[in-house]
Amino acid sequence: EADIYQTPRYLVIGTGKKITLECSQTMGHDKMYWYQQDPGMELHLIHYSYGVNSTEKGDLSSESTVSRIRTEHFPLTLESARPSHTSQYLCASGRHGITEAFFGQGTRLTVV
Amino acid sequence: QKEVEQNSGPLSVPEGAIASLNCTYSDRGSQSFFWYRQYSGKSPELIMSIYSNGDKEDGRFTAQLNKASQYVSLLIRDSQPSDSATYLCAPYRKNAGNMLTFGGGTRLMVKP
Repeated sequence: EADIYQTPRYLVIGTGKKITLECSQTMGHDKMYWYQQDPGMELHLIHYSYGVNSTEKGDLSSESTVSRIRTEHFPLTLESARPSHTSQYLCASGRHGITEAFFGQGTRLTVV
Repeated sequence: QKEVEQNSGPLSVPEGAIASLNCTYSDRGSQSFFWYRQYSGKSPELIMSIYSNGDKEDGRFTAQLNKASQYVSLLIRDSQPSDSATYLCAPYRKNAGNMLTFGGGTRLMVKP
């Protein structure tokens, strides 16, 4: 099972601020994902990566951006936070191939 | 039509009963299937995977796959109140960017 860490766990921030949500995994997984989930609602894929220097947008349009400079690190950035960005952001990782994904504990973001 | 369909529930069963959770998917290119359990406010946790037609058993859990019918199910025997959670079905879609796509989940309530 993957060790995957997200920081911060909770973040309350003002409108217009730039924020970066951190995600790191220690298992050398090639694939990493960012999902967005509102309370009681379904998961939506917003970004994914197959490896270093590979990033793709997911099914849900998002104003966030991601980077994958190192295998273990997949940060998500919002240049200018808005109240509509309030949600839970879940990072996941998985091995190469047709495999499952393992989730971090999530970051609950509130933009006021 | 959604890529992955699940009855949102809640599905209510008495303690000790069998809970049956169902999932249909639209992408015939889906090659492997995963079931995740998500407690309220927590991240999804992988509980079962199934790759070929038929049944796969793991403790109190049995996953069933029928690729011809594009149907996958999860049975939970001897249901316990601690099984109360949302169960997410996730096909791995090789023909759609090699990604996991999650259903909306079925909320299960096990009553003592």
